[in-house]
Amino acid sequence: DSGVTQTPKHLITATGQRVTLRCSPRSGDLSVYWYQQSLDQGLQFLIQYYNGEERAKGNILERFSAQQFPDLHSELNLSSLELGDSALYFCASSVGAVNYGYTFGSGTRLTVV
Amino acid sequence: AQSVTQLDSQVPVFEEAPVELRCNYSSSVSVYLFWYVQYPNQGLQLLLKYLSGSTLVKGINGFEAEFNKSQTSFHLRKPSVHISDTAEYFCAVTPLLNAGGTSYGKLTFGQGTILTVHP
Repeated sequence: DSGVTQTPKHLITATGQRVTLRCSPRSGDLSVYWYQQSLDQGLQFLIQYYNGEERAKGNILERFSAQQFPDLHSELNLSSLELGDSALYFCASSVGAVNYGYTFGSGTRLTVV
Repeated sequence: AQSVTQLDSQVPVFEEAPVELRCNYSSSVSVYLFWYVQYPNQGLQLLLKYLSGSTLVKGINGFEAEFNKSQTSFHLRKPSVHISDTAEYFCAVTPLLNAGGTSYGKLTFGQGTILTVHP
């Protein structure tokens, strides 16, 4: 157990739908990062939050959004889902805003049918 | 921007043999370097990292890596592998503190190397 908790572990949904992925960081970590892992794109950085504020943005689609709440958990919202959004979505956390080495969760596998 | 190239997509090796997984990177600024391992159906686990100091870094499970700034490489090695080392390995970089802040904390990953250890 890495200490980073992601729920749900698996999600199957239809095209056009909206889903929310949840991440609880390790105790004491202030930064949360979201990544997408797919066979064709590999591991792609989506977004980083630090202590509730957006810190960095990567290849995140406009249909996707995220936030970090006062208790530091984070949610990634994916809307108008397409088949190509099927992937593993990982959350990671670190103590500060600078990356000295993240801790990853075990991921949410999203299947869009 | 940064990029990472893992030179081998698959590396088969026999148990107790040595192994080297190769990683080259490109960056206009200094970077921190990492190796992660992903076992089937699991998340990524940090193997080792180079932040500064000695260019030879030791990690968990007997792995080590050497940072070569002139060749912009960070190859991962293990002198004797076990069946349990079968997994996918990812090299990654992140830029040092940067004035623009836009890549703060972002990891850029290579495409991964699947290490398969045969008995």
